[in-house]
Amino acid sequence: NAGVTQTPKFRVLKTGQSMTLLCAQDMNHEYMYWYRQDPGMGLRLIHYSVGEGTTAKGEVPDGYNVSRLKKQNFLLGLESAAPSQTSVYFCASSYFSLKQFFGPGTRLTVL
Amino acid sequence: KQEVTQIPAALSVPEGENLVLNCSFTDSAIYNLQWFRQDPGKGLTSLLLIQSSQREQTSGRLNASLDKSSGRSTLYIAASQPGDSATYLCAVLAGSGSEKLVFGKGTKLTVNP
Repeated sequence: NAGVTQTPKFRVLKTGQSMTLLCAQDMNHEYMYWYRQDPGMGLRLIHYSVGEGTTAKGEVPDGYNVSRLKKQNFLLGLESAAPSQTSVYFCASSYFSLKQFFGPGTRLTVL
Repeated sequence: KQEVTQIPAALSVPEGENLVLNCSFTDSAIYNLQWFRQDPGKGLTSLLLIQSSQREQTSGRLNASLDKSSGRSTLYIAASQPGDSATYLCAVLAGSGSEKLVFGKGTKLTVNP
């Protein structure tokens, strides 16, 4: 099992550009999450999904959109990137409200 | 609003020492509490999960305890090894149906050979 994978691992964007981060899990988990991790701020939940076709806002959802068209995939979109979105993004999945399994992260820099 | 605090922010110990990492949370109405490990430049690895009805969980040299009434959890690491060096994060889940895991900022542990 690959667990939770994230694509890409690194990305540099210019202000105003758009991009999509892809998260995939092969554990048949119902729940999936997107977090961002910033120095001094810790990990914060952006959006999450409790099942295929559902999404919900987390703590810091502004500037991001998500989609969960397939159970195994959870996409995070930035429509117009801003320097404040420079961060490390982590995807996670879980079997309902149990242990969360994290991907390796995507390091995003917005210039 | 749930807040999670981890003290100390950093800890350096000699190899072989037993140690305790602390986590406190402000709202005792939690569903579960998880301890994670994060190595530099890597994702998080779940170490232990304690349900709200449980008092402790053990895995190998790790033991986590939970005292909901006082809003505290501890992670005990026995006979520490250099390979235990990492940042340890505590996180609480408010409740099933409120899937917002709230994280502390972590304790950076260094185990010196």
